[in-house]
Amino acid sequence: IQVTQSPSFLSASVGDRVTITCRASQAIGNYLAWYQQKPGKAPKLLIYGASTLQSGVPSRFSGSGSGTEFTLTISSLQPEDFATYFCQQFNTYPLTFGGGTKVEIK
Amino acid sequence: EVQLVESGGDLVQPGGSLRLSCAASGFTFSSFEMNWVRQAPGKGLEWISYISGSRITIYYADSVKGRFSVSRDNDKKVMYLQMNRLRAEDTAVYYCARDRFPYGPIDTWGQGTLVTVSS
Repeated sequence: IQVTQSPSFLSASVGDRVTITCRASQAIGNYLAWYQQKPGKAPKLLIYGASTLQSGVPSRFSGSGSGTEFTLTISSLQPEDFATYFCQQFNTYPLTFGGGTKVEIK
Repeated sequence: EVQLVESGGDLVQPGGSLRLSCAASGFTFSSFEMNWVRQAPGKGLEWISYISGSRITIYYADSVKGRFSVSRDNDKKVMYLQMNRLRAEDTAVYYCARDRFPYGPIDTWGQGTLVTVSS
């Protein structure tokens, strides 16, 4: 299953609402996760099951979608949110990741 | 505290071999499925292997099938990745990663260990 993420790069300001999209090449139900990665660090799980917030993740992060189209939304971008975000399908092995979206400060 | 610590990364020549280790602590290791995920410099994430808690089920990405082998020692709480016939394109940071639940998302990652394949 191929996973296509867009955009690959996003420039935004603190306080902006940001949306990232992930599309799967075939239906995966809600077996989709979102991760945040900062430079030199391991990824961090934000959302799984398309919309379930991982414990400890701020509520400004939300996820939606099912089937083949999914979105990650950050309702009000904070300075610590500037990072790269990846989606991942876990419906079928091999697990596959989107190419990533780098969120930078405008 | 749940923790995964990788070791074994190194500079190795093309065609060479290397074994990575992942030491787990803070949770019942045998109850969790584990993965290896790698990230080439400046690139995205690539899943490469999965092993179930019981060691019965194992999967590999096509890019490493036949060259890499995953195993685990539940008594020692360690997972291994034996990498043979290494290629330049295997150069990456290798992460050990735990599934949140069976066939679920990854909820815990190690800090990564760098493997460089170069002459």
